[in-house]
Amino acid sequence: SYELTQPPSVSVSPGQTARITCSGEALPNQYAYWYQQRPGQAPVLVISKDSERPSEIPERFSGSSSGTTATLTISGVQAEDEADYYCQSSPSSSSYAVFGTGTKVIVL
Amino acid sequence: EVRLEQSGAEVKKPGESLKISCKGSGYNFSYKWIGWVRQMPGKGLEWMAIIYPDGSDTRYSPSFQGQVTISADKSINTAYLQWASLKASDTAIYYCARLRSSWPEAAFEFWGQGTMVTVSS
Repeated sequence: SYELTQPPSVSVSPGQTARITCSGEALPNQYAYWYQQRPGQAPVLVISKDSERPSEIPERFSGSSSGTTATLTISGVQAEDEADYYCQSSPSSSSYAVFGTGTKVIVL
Repeated sequence: EVRLEQSGAEVKKPGESLKISCKGSGYNFSYKWIGWVRQMPGKGLEWMAIIYPDGSDTRYSPSFQGQVTISADKSINTAYLQWASLKASDTAIYYCARLRSSWPEAAFEFWGQGTMVTVSS
């Protein structure tokens, strides 16, 4: 079945930039979505349709996609950004969706 | 305000059946896709299935097709996830979540609080 691959962890110092990648064969033709999940909480959508940021999400969160890789960028990382992040996409339109393997962002 | 209220934690034995629920409020339940996501202990998110309550159109992940059944009762604004015969490996938190727009735009914008299902003999 379809897979989306993410790095297990990304470490970043406060104020620096964290970049989380998501690799999938169908990403050139399918949107990527990104979620933040803090411990013990439900996920929160932070990026929709590759790069659209919901109004309630801080501007330091941004997304992009090129070829088979989508990227979530957190600029000026804050301690509160320490969480697990998951990408989501589909192998083709109207079929089903999958989540990526997840990336733990560690704020040093 | 959009809210998804899930049923409470369950403790079941292997082989038993189970149906958990998710009640939506604050929006027109019939016309928004709603789905279920599994999170096994200490593990990542897994997309299971979604349903369009008005007409009951469904999509299943191949990993969960035949293992669970998604349904909805639009008269009471409630979606369900059910198992005919539970296994220990079904132990997990199950989240319901509503799509932001219309399928195949797949973003889950609103989430329930999660239902913990424990299957143990």
